[in-house]
Amino acid sequence: AQSVTQLDSHVSVSEGTPVLLRCNYSSSYSPSLFWYVQHPNKGLQLLLKYTSAATLVKGINGFEAEFKKSETSFHLTKPSAHMSDAAEYFCVVIIYGGATNKLIFGTGTLLAVQP
Amino acid sequence: GAVVSQHPSRVICKSGTSVKIECRSLDFQATTMFWYRQFPKKSLMLMATSNEGSKATYEQGVEKDKFLINHASLTLSTLTVTSAHPEDSSFYICSAIKRGSLSTDTQYFGPGTRLTVL
Repeated sequence: AQSVTQLDSHVSVSEGTPVLLRCNYSSSYSPSLFWYVQHPNKGLQLLLKYTSAATLVKGINGFEAEFKKSETSFHLTKPSAHMSDAAEYFCVVIIYGGATNKLIFGTGTLLAVQP
Repeated sequence: GAVVSQHPSRVICKSGTSVKIECRSLDFQATTMFWYRQFPKKSLMLMATSNEGSKATYEQGVEKDKFLINHASLTLSTLTVTSAHPEDSSFYICSAIKRGSLSTDTQYFGPGTRLTVL
């Protein structure tokens, strides 16, 4: 079965320092993986997605993630945090099946950015 | 862009009443829409998949008669919580896939509806 595990429920960084949000996946086949961000009172926004092309995926707002099959990981990184990055981040795997595929969400990581 | 709206953004109702939540794709047609439920400090749980013109497919454990879904057009899906109870209080989020897109393509999410049942 496909699933994702986000190892940290909360991460706090200082503005200008690197961000690392960890995600490990479990899949019986090559997965499609996503990172979404949820700001308060706003809809979930897609940051980036991996669909078996390049293993290093660049997304919006300076975020990127690297697919590492040997480690079954898809960690999200950003070189320098900004105050506006404070939000909830979800690692997501897609399950293929039937006429429609489904997104399975991780439990989320709340990122706090300190001034 | 691809904008999905939800109405209302928040609703408070009395126990035993029914509440309807609308999900609209504003600038694209959506053959498939999804309904999720998000508990406080928890992940999103898929409730059902809604295809235009056909019955919704519910996830295991989701009561079909409790959560009625209607996808009457390519831009509108509704979720009706019937005979709501306090345990139905939650944040309900919909998403949509653009008509003609690949199944692995992006789901566009609405801003969510906060339901509080007194």
